[in-house]
Amino acid sequence: GDSVTQMEGPVTLSEEAFLTINCTYTATGYPSLFWYVQYPGEGLQLLLKATKADDKGSNKGFEATYRKETTSFHLEKGSVQVSDSAVYFCALSQSGANNLFFGTGTRLTVIP
Amino acid sequence: DADVTQTPRNRITKTGKRIMLECSQTKGHDRMYWYRQDPGLGLQLIYYSFDVKDINKGEISDGYSVSRQAQAKFSLSLESAIPNQTALYFCATSDEQGVKLFFGEGSRLTVL
Repeated sequence: GDSVTQMEGPVTLSEEAFLTINCTYTATGYPSLFWYVQYPGEGLQLLLKATKADDKGSNKGFEATYRKETTSFHLEKGSVQVSDSAVYFCALSQSGANNLFFGTGTRLTVIP
Repeated sequence: DADVTQTPRNRITKTGKRIMLECSQTKGHDRMYWYRQDPGLGLQLIYYSFDVKDINKGEISDGYSVSRQAQAKFSLSLESAIPNQTALYFCATSDEQGVKLFFGEGSRLTVL
């Protein structure tokens, strides 16, 4: 079945450090891929998405590229800020499907 | 005002009690979902509904029931709560494409 595996946290970085959170997926066909972010005390919000191979999703300085050859969708940001501290979830959805499959989440803490 | 509102935000109850979590949305979406979030397990789908007359079980529906009272309202019930139902519960909506989910802020339930 479809599934998503993301790197376990927690991840602690200093402000302005480079961030990578790894995400790989298992799925048939060509799923859409997403990163959601959950800030403390809030629900999840869509951060970025990519719907086909080689697409790059980007938002708020974050980027992720849909790599079909490596079945990956790693999240990157060149210079993190304290305000980026949150839990990040990788997810996938098949066209016409009823559900998103979420990874287990990676907690990021950015220290000044 | 939030697009997706959950009540209550926090609830502590005892084993065997009946609990209802309510969700209302102002997005005008037909699709609504209930997810459960446990540490290290990501989000798991409990139930989903694509319109008022449509109710579907998700990955972990045992011990739960739902009611879609109107397009804007989708409630989750625990008929007889047990301690392993202690979790953070999220309601979400999406448009007919089901690509982007909009989440409520969550309802934290503790069953003693």
